[in-house]
Amino acid sequence: DAKTTQPPSMDCAEGRAANLPCNHSTISGNEYVYWYRQIHSQGPQYIIHGLKNNETNEMASLIITEDRKSSTLILPHATLRDTAVYYCIVRAGGAAGSYQLTFGKGTKLSVIP
Amino acid sequence: GVTQSPTHLIKTRGQQVTLRCSSQSGHNTVSWYQQALGQGPQFIFQYYRKEENGRGNFPPRFSGLQFPNDSSELNVNALELDDSALYLCASSLDMGGTEAFFGQGTRLTVV
Repeated sequence: DAKTTQPPSMDCAEGRAANLPCNHSTISGNEYVYWYRQIHSQGPQYIIHGLKNNETNEMASLIITEDRKSSTLILPHATLRDTAVYYCIVRAGGAAGSYQLTFGKGTKLSVIP
Repeated sequence: GVTQSPTHLIKTRGQQVTLRCSSQSGHNTVSWYQQALGQGPQFIFQYYRKEENGRGNFPPRFSGLQFPNDSSELNVNALELDDSALYLCASSLDMGGTEAFFGQGTRLTVV
């Protein structure tokens, strides 16, 4: 699976949009981009994933560049509860049963009141 | 959802431990991860339809079982101090492009 690069930390004012970047310049054509977050001492929480097109759900939006070498996770109105470590992961579509997720160090997002 | 038990556990070096996970209903793949303090989760292994299917860089004293009733176990023999970590299980379907759902983890402390 391709490696990802994320900034180690970011701050965001409460109520503002949080834009978390991720670089995955060696991504292959069959690899998806996944985002998870982990609030202190809890299990990772799935946020969103995409292959080529931009995606939106109730939690966030995922913007993938046309060349797929980078993406941005957008939390439209950050709250204090969004303070967490955010992980960007790329993973192949996968043969049956091959669900390994390779976590990097992620981005520590701090939402400031 | 995915539930794990126990939430916390203290063991002595050299002992054996069994951690349990109840997967989301209908999911046929379960993965286990180890997360040391301040690090991202590291993949231990994965079970698909009761067979081990993929292992990370972990020795054979880490083993697992997957049962038909959506439950699974992680067993660790001959515990070492460095095994102290948060152990996470994640369940998913076997289809490409699907998401995995994690439990809250078991905090294991080896003394």
